[in-house]
Amino acid sequence: GAGVSQSPRYKVAKRGQDVALRCDPISGHVSLFWYQQALGQGPEFLTYFQNEAQLDKSGLPSDRFFAERPEGSVSTLKIQRTQQEDSAVYLCASSLPTGVGNTIYFGEGSWLTVV
Amino acid sequence: EDQVTQSPEALRLQEGESSSLNCSYTVSGLRGLFWYRQDPGKGPEFLFTLYSAGEEKEKERLKATLTKKESFLHITAPKPEDSATYLCAVQEGGFKTIFGAGTRLFVKA
Repeated sequence: GAGVSQSPRYKVAKRGQDVALRCDPISGHVSLFWYQQALGQGPEFLTYFQNEAQLDKSGLPSDRFFAERPEGSVSTLKIQRTQQEDSAVYLCASSLPTGVGNTIYFGEGSWLTVV
Repeated sequence: EDQVTQSPEALRLQEGESSSLNCSYTVSGLRGLFWYRQDPGKGPEFLFTLYSAGEEKEKERLKATLTKKESFLHITAPKPEDSATYLCAVQEGGFKTIFGAGTRLFVKA
């Protein structure tokens, strides 16, 4: 597609509910990133994929967070047993193979509110 | 620890009043410095990439410059539609891109 596509755009979850957020990267982009953005803050790195391989998940805040990209294209970020502190915007981004300063392009984000 | 600090946190300008936003960084090996614009409810929109000290890039009323320790985003004669949050980010030796907290710019007509 022309840009990074994320769904759903908005999600309200009850505390304890599981959620799944989807990301469809720019066609041909092998690198895919998930970021979390709290209100008034910059995006914080969660995890990184190169094709289907998850090369870094050091930013995932707890073992309730899980990301996958089984075929090297679409990715899903899953949050189990959601807590109020999980409320944030989850941004997906993609880029050409990571090299010298390759630009990452963001989607519009999935806004998660846990009530 | 790699860090990106942006200042000021918020900036209020009158239309036509030029100013600059600052991004200071400490990374072990800079691969690229990026500027993004973010409107409320939207994802960050790419503006510029700078790779080495001394480099400059321009786009309409915006000009980005880079030194070894900081970058500036200069806004010349801003208009109300330039109101947004401007994010600075650095990519270090690996693949991680680290973001600052952003500067919220308000331009009043």
